[in-house]
Amino acid sequence: EDQVTQSPEALRLQEGESSSLNCSYTVSGLRGLFWYRQDPGKGPEFLFTLYSAGEEKEKERLKATLTKKESFLHITAPKPEDSATYLCAVQVGGSYIPTFGRGTSLIVHP
Amino acid sequence: NAGVTQTPKFQVLKTGQSMTLQCAQDMNHEYMSWYRQDPGMGLRLIHYSVGAGITDQGEVPNGYNVSRSTTEDFPLRLLSAAPSQTSVYFCASSVGFRSEKLFFGSGTQLSVL
Repeated sequence: EDQVTQSPEALRLQEGESSSLNCSYTVSGLRGLFWYRQDPGKGPEFLFTLYSAGEEKEKERLKATLTKKESFLHITAPKPEDSATYLCAVQVGGSYIPTFGRGTSLIVHP
Repeated sequence: NAGVTQTPKFQVLKTGQSMTLQCAQDMNHEYMSWYRQDPGMGLRLIHYSVGAGITDQGEVPNGYNVSRSTTEDFPLRLLSAAPSQTSVYFCASSVGFRSEKLFFGSGTQLSVL
């Protein structure tokens, strides 16, 4: 059973159509939850770290939130350049090695 | 401002051949790691190193060897390539083992025929 589950697997949006990506986790002792962006043919690029329930982080059109069981990556008024795969990872205290989800592939049509 | 550099970008091997994937970072990071990424799968950790001379196994270490003789370099060796090792390989580094932020290279796409 996956410790980190991302949904949906793929999402197609029209430019300007806001939506959210979900990352749910089943680990205990969460130390941190991370969001990365991955463009085709490139390595993942760090976006955010969230540490505790209720925390929020923002960057341009992206806002990440965290509850005790899941995180959401909200995309407000997306643009075509936001098209990418978004990866979620969790880090458990004691191990410190992040476990990655399978990602959500986002396509934003102009 | 190179960051994490991986070579080669593409490689085709025949079953049974050996090769080394190179990874170098210029950020003086203590922690380095290798991941593989397969379609429909998350990034899976192969091996990692918390400093020069120290390495450990990750989730999927079989068929791979690593060594860390310098802070900068962390090569991944495939001793006898198998078709199951066809994948995209990423090297990643961070300031320390407990660091929240991984810096990734651009990947090596490996095909084993």
